[in-house]
Amino acid sequence: AQKITQTQPGMFVQEKEAVTLDCTYDTSDPSYGLFWYKQPSSGEMIFLIYQGSYDQQNATEGRYSLNFQKARKSANLVISASQLGDSAMYFCAMRESNNDMRFGAGTRLTVKP
Amino acid sequence: DVKVTQSSRYLVKRTGEKVFLECVQDMDHENMFWYRQDPGLGLRLIYFSYDVKMKEKGDIPEGYSVSREKKERFSLILESASTNQTSMYLCASSLSRGPTIYNEQFFGPGTRLTVL
Repeated sequence: AQKITQTQPGMFVQEKEAVTLDCTYDTSDPSYGLFWYKQPSSGEMIFLIYQGSYDQQNATEGRYSLNFQKARKSANLVISASQLGDSAMYFCAMRESNNDMRFGAGTRLTVKP
Repeated sequence: DVKVTQSSRYLVKRTGEKVFLECVQDMDHENMFWYRQDPGLGLRLIYFSYDVKMKEKGDIPEGYSVSREKKERFSLILESASTNQTSMYLCASSLSRGPTIYNEQFFGPGTRLTVL
């Protein structure tokens, strides 16, 4: 069974600093995709970044980058230059080739001014 | 602008009531999903549908059923609501998965259901 683990229930970061949110996954499928979503207090899930298992380079989207370490089965999200608006829940998710998306328990990020 | 809408943001029902949660997407997506979100547990898949009139069980289907009569609409039904079904319910849609694993899911705003 696939499994997504986010070991940090809560994280704090100072405004303008960088922060890393951890995600590890478990799969035996060679083909899979990894996703990060942001959920602000409004409740809506916002897609941030995607990494495919065969992608050679780490994904980047603006201030978001994904530190993909395939051998360690980790897909950590790095947010650079944190902003107050980054305060939210962050979910890591994975989809295998024949399965639907499964989510981790989430990490609540709080950005301090 | 792509959109997934859910019929209610907040809902309060009594134990034993039949509850309908509606989800509509305007992106012509084949796939639609219902999740429930609870603190510390993340999102758990209840049911999903790959096409009209098709449905498949997710990880926690017990106590729920679904209906998909039209491509754009996916309903979650609680036949007899119980207090342990108090939760946030999120609907999502995506394009047909096919051979590709990159299928971003688009989410609705969620329905916070309280069962008394």
